[in-house]
Amino acid sequence: SQELEQSPQSLIVQEGKNLTINCTSSKTLYGLYWYKQKYGEGLIFLMMLQKGGEEKSHEKITAKLDEKKQQSSLHITASQPSHAGIYLCGTHGSGNTGKLIFGQGTTLQVKP
Amino acid sequence: GAVVSQHPSRVICKSGTSVKIECRSLDFQATTMFWYRQFPKQSLMLMATSNEGSKATYEQGVEKDKFLINHASLTLSTLTVTSAHPEDSSFYICSARDGGSAKNIQYFGAGTRLSVL
Repeated sequence: SQELEQSPQSLIVQEGKNLTINCTSSKTLYGLYWYKQKYGEGLIFLMMLQKGGEEKSHEKITAKLDEKKQQSSLHITASQPSHAGIYLCGTHGSGNTGKLIFGQGTTLQVKP
Repeated sequence: GAVVSQHPSRVICKSGTSVKIECRSLDFQATTMFWYRQFPKQSLMLMATSNEGSKATYEQGVEKDKFLINHASLTLSTLTVTSAHPEDSSFYICSARDGGSAKNIQYFGAGTRLSVL
């Protein structure tokens, strides 16, 4: 079965610093989703990547899918306290069930 | 983006009672909804896939008689935790897939924190 591994598991950065979160898949990715969750709340959809080499940006967050489609990275530029939360990458499992498999999440803290 | 409303956000109940959680897609039709459970500091665990007009598909190890799912319309799915016990205390999150989009994006509700005394 396909597995997603995120690194780092947790991250503490000073406000204004850049950071990168990685998501590595055990199999080829056919669609990779990035979500953000604040503790005790639901998930907010950030971006979806499908094509190898694809890159998307939303405000100060950029996500890329590598050419081989087995790794994605999420980059935050000039981090703000509002960026704090848990970032999860997800992808569809085998078959056409629509189920999402998630990485274990990366907890980000931004110190003002 | 699409909005999914989940209600209630928090519920406290006595052991042995049943609790119903609603998940609504507000601005799109969702033929498929998903129910997840999340333990502290862990990722989401899929419990079941809710299909409009048919029986839900449960993941291995999830008791279907314990967690009743009903998806009676294209915008509403409900999860009922029957005869709840303290070990059922958890954070439950639903998601809905936009059936009108080819991107298969799942939009999530805000979650329900269940505490069973």
